[in-house]
Amino acid sequence: SQQGEEDPQALSIQEGENATMNCSYKTSINNLQWYRQNSGRGLVHLILIRSNEREKHSGRLRVTLDTSKKSSSLLITASRAADTASYFCATPIQLSKLTFGKGITLSVRP
Amino acid sequence: EAGVAQSPRYKIIEKRQSVAFWCNPISGHATLYWYQQILGQGPKLLIQFQNNGVVDDSQLPKDRFSAERLKGVDSTLKIQPAKLEDSAVYLCASSPGGQGASFYGYTFGSGTRLTVV
Repeated sequence: SQQGEEDPQALSIQEGENATMNCSYKTSINNLQWYRQNSGRGLVHLILIRSNEREKHSGRLRVTLDTSKKSSSLLITASRAADTASYFCATPIQLSKLTFGKGITLSVRP
Repeated sequence: EAGVAQSPRYKIIEKRQSVAFWCNPISGHATLYWYQQILGQGPKLLIQFQNNGVVDDSQLPKDRFSAERLKGVDSTLKIQPAKLEDSAVYLCASSPGGQGASFYGYTFGSGTRLTVV
């Protein structure tokens, strides 16, 4: 069963703009992760945020977590054409397994 | 470090035929996962191994799918006989953790794209 649900399903922006993607989940978690998938490739781990953290940064990525609302957001600043990909949030359903949402398709126009 | 290796990259078979996929995880990673990703959807867990033992295969259609991880290193996933709805990308991932594997990020292979005609 899918725990996380991303929003919006698709996002199209101009290069240089910021992209914000949201994820909502249903049950309590100890961490939440974001992954990127380029067309025809495997998933790449971007960032992990633990349940006791509210915000985390990695390069142009900023992730927030609101456990009271059971939601997370991924912000990509100053987007580039190379950021065009599908983005997935993933949450553990047990300590050792991740479940993924359906993903967000991000298109960055040059 | 080398990534997760998967082969083949693509496979086209007729329904009712059999197919096998191979995965070599990152050296030292205790936990190995097989996911199925149907076009337009997120990955769905099929089976999880910790070392050479199965932790969870509740989502594996055992009437046609089988998987093994001999010696706790590489793994094979087999489908026999294949159905049209098995057309998907099969992703292998590994994680250094054991029971707490979700505290680490997964490393995924590039996947095998299976088309059943």
